[in-house]
Amino acid sequence: QKEVEQNSGPLSVPEGAIASLNCTYSDRGSQSFFWYRQYSGKSPELIMSIYSNGDKEDGRFTAQLNKASQYVSLLIRDSQPSDSATYLCAVNGRGFKTIFGAGTRLFVKA
Amino acid sequence: NAGVTQTPKFQVLKTGQSMTLQCAQDMNHNSMYWYRQDPGMGLRLIYYSASEGTTDKGEVPNGYNVSRLNKREFSLRLESAAPSQTSVYFCASSAGTSGTQETQYFGPGTRLLVL
Repeated sequence: QKEVEQNSGPLSVPEGAIASLNCTYSDRGSQSFFWYRQYSGKSPELIMSIYSNGDKEDGRFTAQLNKASQYVSLLIRDSQPSDSATYLCAVNGRGFKTIFGAGTRLFVKA
Repeated sequence: NAGVTQTPKFQVLKTGQSMTLQCAQDMNHNSMYWYRQDPGMGLRLIYYSASEGTTDKGEVPNGYNVSRLNKREFSLRLESAAPSQTSVYFCASSAGTSGTQETQYFGPGTRLLVL
């Protein structure tokens, strides 16, 4: 079992729809959770971070964390073609060992 | 303010050759990291440095060495390149010294091909 699992996709949604990206992790001691966006041929950039159970909203993005279920998700409302990218889930348990998932490719159709 | 910079952007090596990947950050960050990214594998940590003068192994350190030259610079060296080291290498930095709850800022990457 991978430590951080994501569906590789591609996830295809029409413009204006809600895109839902999911991630599960295996280390129950994990404390910090991140979503990074990576455009093709570019470097990852942080979208959201979340550290406690519940929802955290930032503009069109909402991160959801459920530590009991070891599940973290990212919702993108009013999806735009510019949101088309690979989304990486990253989980940090102890110290510097941040584990990245392989990413979910999102395609937003105009 | 350039953030995190990496050189070179692209490199082709023959098996057995050596090279050093350079990384520098101008954000006065304490921690720096080297990752490799392979298709379907996600980012994997090679080495990290929590502060100037310290380095530690990550998930996949074999075949690599690092040097934290000063607070700004963190280099990655391949002593004898192998085709399995063909990958995209990212350098990253973060502000703190604990690694926990720290946003990492990534450089543009170095694409390495080993023939």
